[in-house]
Amino acid sequence: AAGVIQSPRHLIKEKRETATLKCYPIPRHDTVYWYQQGPGQDPQFLISFYEKMQSDKGSIPDRFSAQQFSDYHSELNMSSLELGDSALYFCASSFGRGLYNSPLHFGNGTRLTVT
Amino acid sequence: KQEVTQIPAALSVPEGENLVLNCSFTDSAIYNLQWFRQDPGKGLTSLLLIQSSQREQTSGRLNASLDKSSGRSTLYIAASQPGDSATYLCAVRSEKLVFGKGTKLTVNP
Repeated sequence: AAGVIQSPRHLIKEKRETATLKCYPIPRHDTVYWYQQGPGQDPQFLISFYEKMQSDKGSIPDRFSAQQFSDYHSELNMSSLELGDSALYFCASSFGRGLYNSPLHFGNGTRLTVT
Repeated sequence: KQEVTQIPAALSVPEGENLVLNCSFTDSAIYNLQWFRQDPGKGLTSLLLIQSSQREQTSGRLNASLDKSSGRSTLYIAASQPGDSATYLCAVRSEKLVFGKGTKLTVNP
């Protein structure tokens, strides 16, 4: 079965650079979520999109932005990168924003290292 | 604000033991609860999903229970194996999915 695809798997950037992470949800899933997991930490919710509109916002820094496109894939844009942005970034997808009983399916994550 | 706590933070057991991982949450108004497995530096693998109307779910050697009124869930692993070594995360779904900090399990051969 198709899963959530994230790219790239690994990304190394320098401070103050920009990074773009991509997420391709499971086919027919219309909701995408972004999470950030720092070293030794639990995943923290950043932002979510339903039908191309932002549906919820968590602890996402102002330096980050995201969007969901017409094909439901999503991109997380990170600017003015800081050392503390080094983390594993997960994307998850589900079907139906209002269907809170539907499970979230996670991708394998993008490991971002800022040097 | 929903808070999820997992106890213990780390657990080391000999192979073959049955074990229980605990998860508690502060707001019982949840839709469901998911248990995930995470290997070091890897993604999140969903193990079990329990809807708020359910009491337990089973998959192979894993059994998860949910007591929504008391804000508790347990993950029972039977006959543990070295391959079960990983961090186990509990996540509670209200409007957001909120994670606990996980229990790092080591099963020694």
